[in-house]
Amino acid sequence: EVQLMESGGDLVQPGGSLRLSCAAAGFTFNDYAMSWVRQAPGKGLEWVSTIAGNSDDTSYIGSVKGRFTISRDNSKNTLFLQMKSLRAEDTAIYYCVRLRQFAFEIWGQGAMVTVSS
Amino acid sequence: YGLTQPPSVSVAPGQTARITCGGDDIGSKSVHWYQQKPGQAPVLVMYFDDDRPSGIPERFSGSNSGNTATLTITRVEVGDEADYYCQVWHRRSDPLYVFGTGTNLNVL
Repeated sequence: EVQLMESGGDLVQPGGSLRLSCAAAGFTFNDYAMSWVRQAPGKGLEWVSTIAGNSDDTSYIGSVKGRFTISRDNSKNTLFLQMKSLRAEDTAIYYCVRLRQFAFEIWGQGAMVTVSS
Repeated sequence: YGLTQPPSVSVAPGQTARITCGGDDIGSKSVHWYQQKPGQAPVLVMYFDDDRPSGIPERFSGSNSGNTATLTITRVEVGDEADYYCQVWHRRSDPLYVFGTGTNLNVL
């Protein structure tokens, strides 16, 4: 069974840092690009970042460029999102998602990140 | 690049629901649709305009032309009540992957 399991969500102060992890199972991890998509409380979906299967290409939404870094460890079937200089507007559920061409095919259950003093 | 959806659509059980997604020349792009029930992660229900992932009922169909893409749900069931989002990839947009504003399907 294909599974994605996020971890690392927490309450953090503005300006702080946090790293999210996503453990993948049930498929050949390095065959797929992976993404992070977030959803602020009561709001819609927002794409955050994508990384190619071999890590040779990454992309970000403009509002997180220079603050967030996506990476992956294919030997451990794990996706990461390093977040720095966090702002209140980064408060959201962060979903780890497997990409199929340009569609978000498989979603994890999400990790809650709250940025507040 | 923006995608506009009606905030809500209401339909009685057994009827047909049509959820639209408007965008400039969206017919030239591939549109994907997601269903999100309260407290759950989204689920892909339609990709590349009109392809259904395995496990999605045939009651779900999609179309895309001109400036409007449409997700159609026939014989609507109470279990179809959810938020629905359209999505495209746009190489010259920030963000690259654009979601629609979302539509709440209310089954009366």
